[in-house]
Amino acid sequence: GAVVSQHPSRVICKSGTSVKIECRSLDFQATTMFWYRQFPKQSLMLMATSNEGSKATYEQGVEKDKFLINHASLTLSTLTVTSAHPEDSSFYICSASARIRGTDTQYFGPGTRLTVL
Amino acid sequence: RKEVEQDPGPFNVPEGATVAFNCTYSNSASQSFFWYRQDCRKEPKLLMSVYSSGNEDGRFTAQLNRASQYISLLIRDSKLSDSATYLCVVNREYSGGGADGLTFGKGTHLIIQP
Repeated sequence: GAVVSQHPSRVICKSGTSVKIECRSLDFQATTMFWYRQFPKQSLMLMATSNEGSKATYEQGVEKDKFLINHASLTLSTLTVTSAHPEDSSFYICSASARIRGTDTQYFGPGTRLTVL
Repeated sequence: RKEVEQDPGPFNVPEGATVAFNCTYSNSASQSFFWYRQDCRKEPKLLMSVYSSGNEDGRFTAQLNRASQYISLLIRDSKLSDSATYLCVVNREYSGGGADGLTFGKGTHLIIQP
């Protein structure tokens, strides 16, 4: 149980284009999903918290107009990187929260490796 | 002080040995603690939650010391397949309830040698 899918797994795009990443919880409903980013040899960094039916909460330093998040249903959240630039190249990972033994536990999607040329 | 600190390693350990990792966290309001495992270029996978009373899952034992803000992971009888990066993770407690984002340590790299 608690499977999270992410699509696409890898994308290469030109500078200035927008890229949309989908995150789905396959066998459970997730009121809250999260978006993280990981640069090489760095830890995962939380970008934003996505709550179904409401606006996302962004971490300090993350531009909300550049990283658009939509959480339209209890099983789907999307992240759109607008006008991508080479410095946006990273590993983007979503997670969905499920309550296990009274603890909110996050299950991660397989990640999307974005390369901006 | 970093929010979650871990020794990055690498720890080179012979197969069958016991290995222990530690981490410290700075946010005393954190309520949830986890160890995740991450293989190269893959997503993190939950290894185990860490409870105040300590918990064990097969060869893995996790302990939490709230007073010292310290979390540990012990792996007994290590296997080649245990080679990975182990991430110490704590929740970022926000007011208002609901699930919280997680703060990750940079991870401890473990290499099990045959």
